[in-house]
Amino acid sequence: TQLLEQSPQFLSIQEGENLTVYCNSSSVFSSLQWYRQEPGEGPVLLVTVVTGGEVKKLKRLTFQFGDARKDSSLHITAAQPGDTGLYLCAGARGSSNTGKLIFGQGTTLQVKP
Amino acid sequence: NAGVTQTPKFQVLKTGQSMTLQCAQDMNHEYMSWYRQDPGMGLRLIHYSVGAGITDQGEVPNGYNVSRSTTEDFPLRLLSAAPSQTSVYFCASSTYRVTRNSPLHFGNGTRLTVT
Repeated sequence: TQLLEQSPQFLSIQEGENLTVYCNSSSVFSSLQWYRQEPGEGPVLLVTVVTGGEVKKLKRLTFQFGDARKDSSLHITAAQPGDTGLYLCAGARGSSNTGKLIFGQGTTLQVKP
Repeated sequence: NAGVTQTPKFQVLKTGQSMTLQCAQDMNHEYMSWYRQDPGMGLRLIHYSVGAGITDQGEVPNGYNVSRSTTEDFPLRLLSAAPSQTSVYFCASSTYRVTRNSPLHFGNGTRLTVT
């Protein structure tokens, strides 16, 4: 059973289109992170959200943490081929927060020129 | 800065063989962990350590051993490799508390095939 469910798992779109990736759980997380991974490399952190309802923007990427801290979304505006990659959400549970992150299955995004 | 360094990058083993995947970090991070990545499964935590001499099991620890004798190094040992351990393995480190200012830093992975 996956604690963090990401959807969709695969997404292929044309350059210039908008998209949203969802990360859902029945559990509450103290923080949630989004990572991007390119082939042959490890994931790299994009953003961390901590407060319920928090919205963070990173250029054309908008991240939102749900009010109840059980879900998150990543919205990309006017996608570009350079956005192609695997996007992973990861949640941290508990106040002690040892850094033991739980990852979703990932969303593979392909942006065609 | 080198960050998190994993060796080897690729490895092929036969069933029953043993090997050690190496991981070293030069950021003086207390926390280190090992994940495996399989298609459609995301990253699953194998073992982790919050400091030298302290290790604990993650989500999928069976078939793997770890030790943490120094802050810098966190090797992962496969005592008797099985085909089910074919995967890409990632080592990661961070400060003890993962906050918005202390992300998880990953190595570039070791691709392991067990035949």
